[in-house]
Amino acid sequence: GENVEQHPSTLSVQEGDSAVIKCTYSDSASNYFPWYKQELGKGPQLIIDIRSNVGEKKDQRIAVTLNKTAKHFSLHITETQPEDSAVYFCAASKGSNYQLIWGAGTKLIIKP
Amino acid sequence: EADIYQTPRYLVIGTGKKITLECSQTMGHDKMYWYQQDPGMELHLIHYSYGVNSTEKGDLSSESTVSRIRTEHFPLTLESARPSHTSQYLCASRGGAAGYEQYFGPGTRLTVT
Repeated sequence: GENVEQHPSTLSVQEGDSAVIKCTYSDSASNYFPWYKQELGKGPQLIIDIRSNVGEKKDQRIAVTLNKTAKHFSLHITETQPEDSAVYFCAASKGSNYQLIWGAGTKLIIKP
Repeated sequence: EADIYQTPRYLVIGTGKKITLECSQTMGHDKMYWYQQDPGMELHLIHYSYGVNSTEKGDLSSESTVSRIRTEHFPLTLESARPSHTSQYLCASRGGAAGYEQYFGPGTRLTVT
């Protein structure tokens, strides 16, 4: 069935450095790829998303890239800060009337 | 800030008890979801609804049931709680003009003793 693989499961980076989290998806019909951030004790919150008609999207320190041919997409966080520490989830879907297929999550630790 | 609410936030209950976890949203979203999640771990879809009187089971088998009598309300019920039900339960909704983003509630942390 459809699945989304996410790597790494844990990522530790020095404050100020960049962090990259990668996901691959299996369903070539997927056309929507969101990234969610979950802080301790809270529900996940959308931080950025991308549709299949673009290859990259940026929002301040956060960017997402999409390679449709290889069926993978990545989250890039630059100039990491302590408040970036959280669990990040990628997901994929074929459209707003379809389920999101979730990755297993990446725990991002920012070392001071 | 998303207008989606879950009560209670924390619940400790004995084995065999019946419990209902409440979820309400004020955004008028037609789609609502329940996920089960061990803290910081993978999200597992257990139920979803695409509108009033519409409910479906998700990918993860669950002994819980749901109902959708009103657009804004999507409660989850466990008829007989067991220690294996100990987990975090997250409610989400989706809809509106764009229709893509899922808005999550803060979750209910359930412990069955």
